[in-house]
Amino acid sequence: GENVEQHPSTLSVQEGDSAVIKCTYSDSASNYFPWYKQELGKRPQLIIDIRSNVGEKKDQRIAVTLNKTAKHFSLHITETQPEDSAVYFCAASKRDTGRRALTFGSGTRLQVQP
Amino acid sequence: NAGVMQNPRHLVRRRGQEARLRCSPMKGHSHVYWYRQLPEEGLKFMVYLQKENIIDESGMPKERFSAEFPKEGPSILRIQQVVRGDSAAYFCASSPGQGGANEKLFFGSGTQLSVL
Repeated sequence: GENVEQHPSTLSVQEGDSAVIKCTYSDSASNYFPWYKQELGKRPQLIIDIRSNVGEKKDQRIAVTLNKTAKHFSLHITETQPEDSAVYFCAASKRDTGRRALTFGSGTRLQVQP
Repeated sequence: NAGVMQNPRHLVRRRGQEARLRCSPMKGHSHVYWYRQLPEEGLKFMVYLQKENIIDESGMPKERFSAEFPKEGPSILRIQQVVRGDSAAYFCASSPGQGGANEKLFFGSGTQLSVL
């Protein structure tokens, strides 16, 4: 089955700096890669996603890049703010198939220091 | 749109009792997924269901755990004879299941199960 590795496990940045979180996946057939943000005691919330026919996607301060050949994808947060502090999870799945379930990485705890 | 609704929010059971966790998907969503999250860990897939069908249960323990998504009513995750190791947050997610952009998963607030 799919295996998703995520690094780093913790990340501390100063407010205004950029943060980058990286994930690798094992199944070359995976074609959908969402990112979720989870605040303490709350539900995971989808913040951005990308399909394998796209190399990069941006939404305001958040961007995701995908390298299909290397089987890795990254989340970039620019101009970080204290409210960006949370645990971020990457995930992968094979959409449009019976195996739709997401396989998640182990998470990155991001701390933005004011 | 009320989003994905899970109840109860917190559930306390003694070892050997049964736990029933309920999930109502978002309106218009016919696909439901259950995940388990241990403290400081990621989300582990358990089971994927459509109405009246289990599509993928590869992540669910073969014993004591079962799931259903009936034609009417919420999806139920049932854990029989709970043990302390079952203590975790159980999240439900739903999607429209129609392919393409409609494959996004939206999560409920979870049920925190504590086994004494």
